[in-house]
Amino acid sequence: GESVGLHLPTLSVQEGDNSIINCAYSNSASDYFIWYKQESGKGPQFIIDIRSNMDKRQGQRVTVLLNKTVKHLSLQIAATQPGDSAVYFCAENNAGNMLTFGGGTRLMVKP
Amino acid sequence: EAQVTQNPRYLITVTGKKLTVTCSQNMNHEYMSWYRQDPGLGLRQIYYSMNVEVTDKGDVPEGYKVSRKEKRNFPLILESPSPNQTSLYFCASSLSTGTRGPRGQHFGDGTRLSIL
Repeated sequence: GESVGLHLPTLSVQEGDNSIINCAYSNSASDYFIWYKQESGKGPQFIIDIRSNMDKRQGQRVTVLLNKTVKHLSLQIAATQPGDSAVYFCAENNAGNMLTFGGGTRLMVKP
Repeated sequence: EAQVTQNPRYLITVTGKKLTVTCSQNMNHEYMSWYRQDPGLGLRQIYYSMNVEVTDKGDVPEGYKVSRKEKRNFPLILESPSPNQTSLYFCASSLSTGTRGPRGQHFGDGTRLSIL
């Protein structure tokens, strides 16, 4: 079936640099997307979401970009900090009642 | 404090011995869901509930049951656990907007089940 995927399983960045985590989705009917952060031993934590009628949404130090033409989603983290080290998941909702999650990208922040 | 609470956090049991993992949320959310997380497979949805007395299968419902008798509780039941159900399980809840499904789910901290 159609699913959400990620380009890079591990991303290593220097503290203070910006991070970009990418996600490709294949279901053109998806109308809502979410980014989650999961720290070791904890459940996923909601970061930011975006509806398909938008192409950009900003939060505190995070920005989500949606490119529906190429079915691509990205999460940008500004001034990455050690506390940002975690696994990041994208998820899509295809106007139904279920969420489909990508496989996750591990972000490692080097001091 | 808004939270989703799962119990137990860890459980080791044997094949065939019925078990229940409880989930409770204090945010008056309509939507609740169970996921399992396995290495290389990510998070997969087991069952979800749009509201009280309404439950539906997710991607991997086989071997599981759920119930939603009260808005705050959504227990996951394994009637006859098998080793392939060894996994990390998460309960989540969120508001839902009409028929538009879950929005920005809150997750519990997980339950690690080992079925021997």
